[in-house]
Amino acid sequence: QLQLQESGPGLVKPSETLSLTCTVSGGSISSSNYYWGWIRQPPGKGLEWIGSMYYSGSTYYNPSLKSRVTISGDTSKNQFALELSSVTAADTAIYYCARHPSVTTGYFHQWGQGTLVTVSS
Amino acid sequence: QSALTQPRSVSGSPGQSVTISCTGTSSDVGGYNSVSWYRQYPGKAPKLMIYDVTKRPSGVPDRFSGSKSDNTASLTISGLQAEDESDYYCCSYAGNYTVVFGGGTKLTVL
Repeated sequence: QLQLQESGPGLVKPSETLSLTCTVSGGSISSSNYYWGWIRQPPGKGLEWIGSMYYSGSTYYNPSLKSRVTISGDTSKNQFALELSSVTAADTAIYYCARHPSVTTGYFHQWGQGTLVTVSS
Repeated sequence: QSALTQPRSVSGSPGQSVTISCTGTSSDVGGYNSVSWYRQYPGKAPKLMIYDVTKRPSGVPDRFSGSKSDNTASLTISGLQAEDESDYYCCSYAGNYTVVFGGGTKLTVL
């Protein structure tokens, strides 16, 4: 059974780079059948798609975050990562990693439990 | 790319039906049959309830159904149960390999 687990610092200082990793078990990020994405949710607010990657290295980003986001994969560790640069308090959120069949189908059928990242000095 | 519009809250009594709307544009909801719905309990990750507008993943009760007309998608929950009280989010493919979510709707079971 596929499991996704987010990990990384829970506290990041303003202007620094937020870095998170999603470890996948029970499935391979090298699968040609799936894409791997990041979604976030500020406390008490709605969901926001950050971006997704395909095993080939192709990446797709939310236009509003594109200038600050990098998503990459490490097939040797079966992990994919999120980097968000120049963070501010507005980037404080629960960050989820998820698997989806395709960016164009627009649905996420497996989610990690999420990890809270607070941006504060 | 703007968030899809959902009512902040809806409510219904046990056994009744409720419908949650999700309004977008011809560039997202209206342009593709790629609308999905998620249920999220407090402190938990979202769970996929409907995908491709009308399809239910295995294990989702048939009380949950989806539809779409023009730029508005809808999630209908029939035979409302106490366990249905939750937040619900819609999501759509928005073209150019991007995805957009709705703002979320809080469902209260009276």
